[in-house]
Amino acid sequence: SQQGEEDPQALSIQEGENATMNCSYKTSINNLQWYRQNSGRGLVHLILIRSNEREKHSGRLRVTLDTSKKSSSLLITASRAADTASYFCATDRAGNQFYFGTGTSLTVIP
Amino acid sequence: KAGVTQTPRYLIKTRGQQVTLSCSPISGHRSVSWYQQTPGQGLQFLFEYFSETQRNKGNFPGRFSGRQFSNSRSEMNVSTLELGDSALYLCASSAGGGFVYEQYFGPGTRLTVT
Repeated sequence: SQQGEEDPQALSIQEGENATMNCSYKTSINNLQWYRQNSGRGLVHLILIRSNEREKHSGRLRVTLDTSKKSSSLLITASRAADTASYFCATDRAGNQFYFGTGTSLTVIP
Repeated sequence: KAGVTQTPRYLIKTRGQQVTLSCSPISGHRSVSWYQQTPGQGLQFLFEYFSETQRNKGNFPGRFSGRQFSNSRSEMNVSTLELGDSALYLCASSAGGGFVYEQYFGPGTRLTVT
C-alpha cells in the first residue's frame, strides 16, 4: 500500500491565486519530499523537509510538516499557468523504501 | 551537469518476452532507484542500488531485477513479461543512498506489453 495520500485529488484555480495541497502518511519518516510531474519536464524535485523541521520555503513554495499528525502541506503562492502539473509527496520509511502518494492534479487557468 | 538519461524511451514487447532498461545517473551520483508508474497504482518503488549493491527493494515479484555497474550506471530487467507490466519506468539518481537526499529523475521508458 502507498505511504502517502494527497488531498485534494484535483484542484483548479485562477492564475494569481494560491494553491494548497495536503499529504498524509502512515508511519514514521526521516524526511518528506514534494515532486512535480508534467508532460514537458517529467518528475522534478521541489523541496525536501526533514522530520525535525516544521516549515521550509523555496521561492513561491512553502511546505509544512506536522509529524504528530503525520501530515504535510504544500502551498504555491501567486500561481502561474506553468504550475499546472501533478504534485506528489514522497516519504521514506527508515530509509528502506520510498513511497509516493497518489498525487494532486493542479490546473491553473490563465 | 547532464541529467539522468534512460534508454530506450519507448519499447513494445510481447507477453512472455524479457526486457532490459538502462539508466545513466548524474555524474558523481552513486545511488540509483527505479520506479514503476501506472494510472492504476501510481508511482511504486522497485529497488535502490548504491555502489553496485541493492540496498532496498519494493514489493515486486522476482521477475523484476536490476544491477548497477562500477560507473553507477544501472539496468533493470523484467523477465516473462505480463500485460500488467505495461508502464512508465522511471529511474532516479541521488548523491547518497537511503533517500536522504533529493532524487533526480530521468524521462522514463514507456514499456508496452502486447
